[in-house]
Amino acid sequence: AQTVTQSQPEMSVQEAETVTLSCTYDTSESDYYLFWYKQPPSRQMILVIRQEAYKQQNATENRFSVNFQKAAKSFSLKISDSQLGDAAMYFCAYRSVGSGGGADGLTFGKGTHLIIQP
Amino acid sequence: DSGVTQTPKHLITATGQRVTLRCSPRSGDLSVYWYQQSLDQGLQFLIQYYNGEERAKGNILERFSAQQFPDLHSELNLSSLELGDSALYFCASSPWGLAGVPAYQETQYFGPGTRLLVL
Repeated sequence: AQTVTQSQPEMSVQEAETVTLSCTYDTSESDYYLFWYKQPPSRQMILVIRQEAYKQQNATENRFSVNFQKAAKSFSLKISDSQLGDAAMYFCAYRSVGSGGGADGLTFGKGTHLIIQP
Repeated sequence: DSGVTQTPKHLITATGQRVTLRCSPRSGDLSVYWYQQSLDQGLQFLIQYYNGEERAKGNILERFSAQQFPDLHSELNLSSLELGDSALYFCASSPWGLAGVPAYQETQYFGPGTRLLVL
């Protein structure tokens, strides 16, 4: 079974600064998908960014980018120019390509609580 | 707003009771996923349905069951409730939910969740 580890329970950053959230995963599969989801105080789960394992190029979405190191099984999220609205729990998630015909559910890490200091 | 709706928003019940949570996927999405978020277990995948059929199973208890109806809405049934079942239950939907489909077609969009409190 796959596991996802987020080793930073909490991170704090000054507004406008850059912060990197860590995520490592364990899998024996060669093809899979990785995601970062954001959960603000409203508890809504919001997709931040996604990466397909077969793509070597790191995904980027505006101020959010990832550093995907497949050999090291690492998938960190970099947030540039941090804004107050970025304050939330951030979850790293893994999804296999599916074995029984289904897409399989996401395996989540325990999350990192990101605090933005004004 | 993800386009996924869940009802009710909050549910308070007693141990031993049975409840039904409802989810309507985004328009056009064929797959529905159920997740449980609790302090103890974190976010856990429970079960997936694709176009009315069960396709993948996660850590779903035998006391829990789900189904997806012809109009693609889904219901999660929780029975013989225990205190430990108190959690936030999310439904997510994706366009296909099939093995091997690229991630951009298979992103799961989450509903707002149903908060269940078992007393």
